[in-house]
Amino acid sequence: NAGVTQTPKFQVLKTGQSMTLQCAQDMNHNSMYWYRQDPGMGLRLIYYSASEGTTDKGEVPNGYNVSRLNKREFSLRLESAAPSQTSVYFCASSARAAYEAFFGQGTRLTVV
Amino acid sequence: EDKVVQSPLSLVVHEGDTVTLNCSYEVTNFRSLLWYKQEKKAPTFLFMLTSSGIEKKSGRLSSILDKKELFSILNITATQTGDSAIYLCSNFGNEKLTFGTGTRLTIIP
Repeated sequence: NAGVTQTPKFQVLKTGQSMTLQCAQDMNHNSMYWYRQDPGMGLRLIYYSASEGTTDKGEVPNGYNVSRLNKREFSLRLESAAPSQTSVYFCASSARAAYEAFFGQGTRLTVV
Repeated sequence: EDKVVQSPLSLVVHEGDTVTLNCSYEVTNFRSLLWYKQEKKAPTFLFMLTSSGIEKKSGRLSSILDKKELFSILNITATQTGDSAIYLCSNFGNEKLTFGTGTRLTIIP
């Protein structure tokens, strides 16, 4: 029972490079989320998708784009990475709003 | 904008003590309040509360919600070193799940 799977687990990028973080869930959940976590900052919402085909900005969307490819998959893209995007990224999903959210194991991204 | 504020930011206690963690919130169209525990990796779910005054319990942990005053508390009794973690409070409003900054709890043996 995989739950929420994120790839990669670790990544080092040079400033200006692009990359896509992948997230897939096998629980048939409608809602999916991308967060970043920095020391002392809790989890800050980057983008979310309440259902297949919809995406919305969260608290810190600048520098990121997302795609809800299908019900299972929700990817996060950094078009031109900056050192300020060094962080741990978490993907999460829930059956729908107000239900328990399940988290992936996180991606530790370093931009040098 | 939706907002979740947790206090204290950090707490250090001795094993066996009882702790109370606080969470206040401002959220549009409140749906539920959730508590998570985060150790080294991903947050793990503890409680979800949707109604005022109903205490949720799981062993030594309990939580209660006050929808009128817009806050929740998480109590941990007879703390153990395994309780050392970051405790995160979050709110579902509309379709968004918003988190607070967390309380870092350290239990000294």
